[in-house]
Amino acid sequence: GQNIDQPTEMTATEGAIVQINCTYQTSGFNGLFWYQQHAGEAPTFLSYNVLDGLEEKGRFSSFLSRSKGYSYLLLKELQMKDSASYLCAVMDSNYQLIWGAGTKLIIKP
Amino acid sequence: GAVVSQHPSRVICKSGTSVKIECRSLDFQATTMFWYRQFPKKSLMLMATSNEGSKATYEQGVEKDKFLINHASLTLSTLTVTSAHPEDSSFYICGASDGVSSYNEQFFGPGTRLTVL
Repeated sequence: GQNIDQPTEMTATEGAIVQINCTYQTSGFNGLFWYQQHAGEAPTFLSYNVLDGLEEKGRFSSFLSRSKGYSYLLLKELQMKDSASYLCAVMDSNYQLIWGAGTKLIIKP
Repeated sequence: GAVVSQHPSRVICKSGTSVKIECRSLDFQATTMFWYRQFPKKSLMLMATSNEGSKATYEQGVEKDKFLINHASLTLSTLTVTSAHPEDSSFYICGASDGVSSYNEQFFGPGTRLTVL
């Protein structure tokens, strides 16, 4: 079956750095997405990785290792507004998104 | 660009009634639309995929007679929850793809919170 695993919840301090991991097992791979979702709102796009390596975009970076079925989202200089759920999603061979359950990130002052 | 709207954002209805949710792509043509539901603290669950002018493809376990999907134009898809029951209460999100984005990106609507009493 297809499976996306990520931690349920993480806590970090304002101004610090946090890494959210995601491991996946899917039928085929056409890229991995990270989304941010605030409670009661739709997911918003953060990043896309299809090749191995690190993609940096401002305070957010995303890493992919296809051989390990592993990705992480790195958030730097955390701000209170970064408190949200972070969803890892993999596009499978049918170009369908397979979603993780999300990691709730709590930022403390 | 790539804005998707959903209406209504929130609806409360009585058990047994039908509810229609609209999803519109405002500044692009959505060749494919996706309907998801999400329970609290759970991942998005794909319900169905629809291509403009074609019948929707439903995921296993999703009742097509209960969740009617119409993708009549390249900018509008509707999901009708027929004879709604309390267990249908959920957060429904639509996603839209223009078929030309470099990585088949989906753009999401703001979601509809359905509460069935």
